[in-house]
Amino acid sequence: QKEVEQNSGPLSVPEGAIASLNCTYSDRVSQSFFWYRQYSGKSPELIMSIYSNGDKEDGRFTAQLNKASQYVSLLIRDSQPSDSATYLCAVREDFNKFYFGSGTKLNVKP
Amino acid sequence: DAGVIQSPRHEVTEMGQEVTLRCKPISGHDYLFWYRQTMMRGLELLIYFNNNVPIDDSGMPEDRFSAKMPNASFSTLKIQPSEPRDSAVYFCASSLASGSGETQYFGPGTRLLVL
Repeated sequence: QKEVEQNSGPLSVPEGAIASLNCTYSDRVSQSFFWYRQYSGKSPELIMSIYSNGDKEDGRFTAQLNKASQYVSLLIRDSQPSDSATYLCAVREDFNKFYFGSGTKLNVKP
Repeated sequence: DAGVIQSPRHEVTEMGQEVTLRCKPISGHDYLFWYRQTMMRGLELLIYFNNNVPIDDSGMPEDRFSAKMPNASFSTLKIQPSEPRDSAVYFCASSLASGSGETQYFGPGTRLLVL
């Protein structure tokens, strides 16, 4: 049974702080990893993708991947109230099958 | 591009009725996915297609659920008969197959309420 685990939160951070979101996965053969943001009542939208060990930065967002530890994280620097949403971690397996975590709810307080 | 299109956006029906959800993927995408999202279970993959062929339907909860993709630009998810526990948001998503990092693009979802 493949699993993608996330802390459901809510994670509360003050505006301007760094928000750290974590995800672990059970299958060592997983190759591609994604972070989606989902606002309440909306559909998930892609924030970041990462395939290799290490860090990948895109603006205020940094994805970190450690395949040995089966761990992927998302850092949001200078958090804004508009970042308040649920963040979904997704793992892509063979044959293009995706597994999603249950999501972490982030609240950024002004 | 118009993105993934789903209809209807909202559906309210009574238990026992047939429900049909529709999806038009992004043009040129060869993978199509149907998901269900609830507070309790999160985002669950129900079934997905590659080039109109079902690849994995292991997530379909029971025989009351069926999905078809008659052509590259249209798919349906049918629930017959519907039950209150089927109430959820149903998302359709599409993607390309090329490369290891191709991601999925989600439609706006259909909010289903079965009374």
